[in-house]
Amino acid sequence: DTGVSQDPRHKITKRGQNVTFRCDPISEHNRLYWYRQTLGQGPEFLTYFQNEAQLEKSRLLSDRFSAERPKGSFSTLEIQRTEQGDSAMYLCASSGRAGKHQETQYFGPGTRLLVL
Amino acid sequence: AQSVAQPEDQVNVAEGNPLTVKCTYSVSGNPYLFWYVQYPNRGLQFLLKYITGDNLVKGSYGFEAEFNKSQTSFHLKKPSALVSDSALYFCAVRKNFGNEKLTFGTGTRLTIIP
Repeated sequence: DTGVSQDPRHKITKRGQNVTFRCDPISEHNRLYWYRQTLGQGPEFLTYFQNEAQLEKSRLLSDRFSAERPKGSFSTLEIQRTEQGDSAMYLCASSGRAGKHQETQYFGPGTRLLVL
Repeated sequence: AQSVAQPEDQVNVAEGNPLTVKCTYSVSGNPYLFWYVQYPNRGLQFLLKYITGDNLVKGSYGFEAEFNKSQTSFHLKKPSALVSDSALYFCAVRKNFGNEKLTFGTGTRLTIIP
């Protein structure tokens, strides 16, 4: 059973460019979450999917951010017109349908974004 | 609104001594509580959780945590610290129904001194 994977692991971009990150959840997990973590802080919730449906979006997710999960499997997070304040670690997590650990969110290794 | 406080940014413990990392929370209704550990440049690794039942929860690598409803606390403990326990620890809370987002504390850096 492979864990949550994220790609790329690192991304350096120039201010104003668009970037897209991918997350592959644990197989058969129907819930997928995106968080953002800046230096010295805990992760902050961005958005959450159950299957294909995006059920909640944080106010942190400005209109430059968009997330999709088109087939209820992998998800993408796109940031348009990046700003230096977008520099952070972007974490993806997934949780399962039922069973002992259905409430537990399992995290991927993260994508570290640096906007120059 | 839900929140987590980790009052200590840094905790230093001698190897072999017991360790405690403190966490208090605020949430409407009954909480689900979690501890995660983060190693440098890595994602978060699940350690343990409280959902319901026994207030003392046991998790990975010999860690345990005690849920105290009256004090709204969920402190992480280990009887005998190892150097390899040195890492950043995060406490998190969510409601037990509806909203599934986790709210994290700011983290506590645990350093085990050989």
